[in-house]
Amino acid sequence: DAGVIQSPRHEVTEMGQEVTLRCKPISGHNSLFWYRQTMMRGLELLIYFNNNVPIDDSGMPEDRFSAKMPNASFSTLKIQPSEPRDSAVYFCASSHSRGSTDTQYFGPGTRLTVL
Amino acid sequence: GQQVMQIPQYQHVQEGEDFTTYCNSSTTLSNIQWYKQRPGGHPVFLIQLVKSGEVKKQKRLTFQFGEAKKNSSLHITATQTTDVGTYFCADPNTGFQKLVFGTGTRLLVSP
Repeated sequence: DAGVIQSPRHEVTEMGQEVTLRCKPISGHNSLFWYRQTMMRGLELLIYFNNNVPIDDSGMPEDRFSAKMPNASFSTLKIQPSEPRDSAVYFCASSHSRGSTDTQYFGPGTRLTVL
Repeated sequence: GQQVMQIPQYQHVQEGEDFTTYCNSSTTLSNIQWYKQRPGGHPVFLIQLVKSGEVKKQKRLTFQFGEAKKNSSLHITATQTTDVGTYFCADPNTGFQKLVFGTGTRLLVSP
């Protein structure tokens, strides 16, 4: 079975540009998570969805960040406009929520560099 | 807010030496998970501990959950170069599957 799929794997953009990161969760999983990882701040949860509904977006840094999950097999994280401090590795993870804490399966990540 | 601290932040050992990382929470945990992230890779689930005082083993790895369920540890016996990476504990928060990751311990193993 395919794991969590993320695209692109690497993104280099200039400050002010719009960036869209994409994620396809594992089929059958009903929870999806977006994380950001940096040396300074570690692994931070940005937002998570359950059954395509955003449950908690308290980790989203500011209005420049937005996330959508239009269906069970696709999610996007958008940054507009991007800034150099957004440079990080962005991970998408999914799990099969059954009322208790289940394993999260991470995608390979998107390494974003904003110049 | 909820905090999950890990110590040490970094450890460099010689192959064959033992290694331990400790995870401490400011609140009582319902359960705790451990993940490993290889350099350049993504976090991969290792194990989940649920019961107070629980001890689980995976080959050379021993995981322990504290009696008060506020701390946990991961011990690696006789490290190998394949053990290199960052080890995270993760605390399940309330709600749907939300995890709060610890600060991580980066392990470097020299041959």
